[in-house]
Amino acid sequence: KQEVTQIPAALSVPEGENLVLNCSFTDSAIYNLQWFRQDPGKGLTSLLLIQSSQREQTSGRLNASLDKSSGRSTLYIAASQPGDSATYLCAVKGGNDMRFGAGTRLTVKP
Amino acid sequence: GAVVSQHPSWVICKSGTSVKIECRSLDFQATTMFWYRQFPKQSLMLMATSNEGSKATYEQGVEKDKFLINHASLTLSTLTVTSAHPEDSSFYICSARDDKTNSPLHFGNGTRLTVT
Repeated sequence: KQEVTQIPAALSVPEGENLVLNCSFTDSAIYNLQWFRQDPGKGLTSLLLIQSSQREQTSGRLNASLDKSSGRSTLYIAASQPGDSATYLCAVKGGNDMRFGAGTRLTVKP
Repeated sequence: GAVVSQHPSWVICKSGTSVKIECRSLDFQATTMFWYRQFPKQSLMLMATSNEGSKATYEQGVEKDKFLINHASLTLSTLTVTSAHPEDSSFYICSARDDKTNSPLHFGNGTRLTVT
């Protein structure tokens, strides 16, 4: 059974810092991995999708990497802004299901 | 921990039929649940926000008459794909927000729908 772990559970940084969020998974037989952001009380917003054959994806200040063999993904956020404050979730897609990590709650202080 | 049960995990149906997917919060109450779908090689996208006792709020481009959502109790939301077509074949997943904590979301494991 796939297990997804996100570290740290919470992170607080001053505005402007670069930061890395980590996601690990136990079963490397995945189709893809996605990073989402969740604002309080809202649904998910998809940030980046990495197919199993890919190593990384970039969108603006966000860069996500995938190392299937080691069961790891990282989300790098450059030059963080207060508007980046949210919970970030990674999700791993298997054959017939999707498993989510518990999320990292990010606070960017002005 | 909080658990969301989604049923069925996979279903195959014929074109023109309707399919119902259930999302249950097993040990917490959820006034709000969310429905998502993911087409192959695409990102998971929010379809609608389901609110107990009121009408669901649909995202732009999602047909409310085709994807009927019923949130009749604080622990159950259903998504019915009506008159399904092959292009509705997708992966559907629900999430529920715990009323007590208001955060975070808890997810079902998803339903793979194949329409033949």
